[in-house]
Amino acid sequence: SQELEQSPQSLIVQEGKNLTINCTSSKTLYGLYWYKQKYGEGLIFLMMLQKGGEEKSHEKITAKLDEKKQQSSLHITASQPSHAGIYLCGANGSARQLTFGSGTQLTVLP
Amino acid sequence: DVKVTQSSRYLVKRTGEKVFLECVQDMDHENMFWYRQDPGLGLRLIYFSYDVKMKEKGDIPEGYSVSREKKERFSLILESASTNQTSMYLCASSPRGGVTEAFFGQGTRLTVV
Repeated sequence: SQELEQSPQSLIVQEGKNLTINCTSSKTLYGLYWYKQKYGEGLIFLMMLQKGGEEKSHEKITAKLDEKKQQSSLHITASQPSHAGIYLCGANGSARQLTFGSGTQLTVLP
Repeated sequence: DVKVTQSSRYLVKRTGEKVFLECVQDMDHENMFWYRQDPGLGLRLIYFSYDVKMKEKGDIPEGYSVSREKKERFSLILESASTNQTSMYLCASSPRGGVTEAFFGQGTRLTVV
């Protein structure tokens, strides 16, 4: 199955700072998803990337997929306490199976 | 809005009990998934289904079974609950084909005592 490695496992930043979370795959990514999870709740979809070199932004969050389609990054600009949570990358390894990385726990200190 | 509903937010069961976790989606999605989430391990796929009565094992199917008798409902069954099955269980659904996002339920936190 598709293996996804996320780094860092946890991140503590001061409000207003920028940060980056990485997601690396052992295989070519046919679809890469970023989700956010508040503690004890379900996952909220953030963005999906498909094409090599693709970049998408929503508010202060930007996600990129590298040209080789094996690595993605999620960048948050000027972080706020509302950005705190667990960020997970997910991917379609095969047409149907959807697998996830181990997640990055983000804490934003006010 | 797509809605994926899990029957319980919190559940406490005894070791050896048979446990049913229910998931219902209202968007006519073909694909449905069951995951468990544990600290430091992320989401691990237990089973998934791409059609009624069809099921495929994920990465950690041992100790679990599933049932999909109707398109909108996907049940996860713990035949004989054990303490190492204490976890957060998440259900998701997605439409057939291509690369599409999955929609998640709110999760069921199961404690086996």
